[in-house]
Amino acid sequence: AQSVTQLDSQVPVFEEAPVELRCNYSSSVSVYLFWYVQYPNQGLQLLLKYLSGSTLVKGINGFEAEFNKSQTSFHLRKPSVHISDTAEYFCAALHSGAGSYQLTFGKGTKLSVIP
Amino acid sequence: DTAVSQTPKYLVTQMGNDKSIKCEQNLGHDTMYWYKQDSKKFLKIMFSYNNKELIINETVPNRFSPKSPDKAHLNLHINSLELGDSAVYFCASSPSRARGGDTQYFGPGTRLTVL
Repeated sequence: AQSVTQLDSQVPVFEEAPVELRCNYSSSVSVYLFWYVQYPNQGLQLLLKYLSGSTLVKGINGFEAEFNKSQTSFHLRKPSVHISDTAEYFCAALHSGAGSYQLTFGKGTKLSVIP
Repeated sequence: DTAVSQTPKYLVTQMGNDKSIKCEQNLGHDTMYWYKQDSKKFLKIMFSYNNKELIINETVPNRFSPKSPDKAHLNLHINSLELGDSAVYFCASSPSRARGGDTQYFGPGTRLTVL
């Protein structure tokens, strides 16, 4: 079964500092990987996704993620965070099963940016 | 012109009541989903419909019944509400169920509180 592990439940970081949010997945087949962001009291918004090709994926709001097949990781990074980046971040893997594709989420990482 | 909309945004009700949450997407997508986000922010898929046909039905009590009158709508009806049903319910849609890598677009969520 597919699983997604986000190693840190909370990450506090000072404004303008770099941040990395870690994500590992388990899969024996091809997998598509996503990062979503959830701002307080809002729905989920796609940050970026990896389907194939270049392992470095750039998303919105200055975020990027690197797909590492050997380490089964898809860590999210930003070189300099802003207060507005304070949110919950979810890593997700899309995998096939029962004639359709199903999205499995990690448990989320709460990013708190400290002024 | 919200892409995926849900009503109501907040729902507070007594145990034992029956309630419905509505979802509509104007993206022309074929596939729609319901997710439950618990108090620990963990997101789990409940149902998926493709063109009005149920394709994913995770282990969810049969008090939960999705209904899709057309492919732009997927409503969630819950009978005999219990305290444990309190959560945020997200609707989502994607272009297709069979194409890997399709992004799922999420609605703003419905916060259900059962007293």
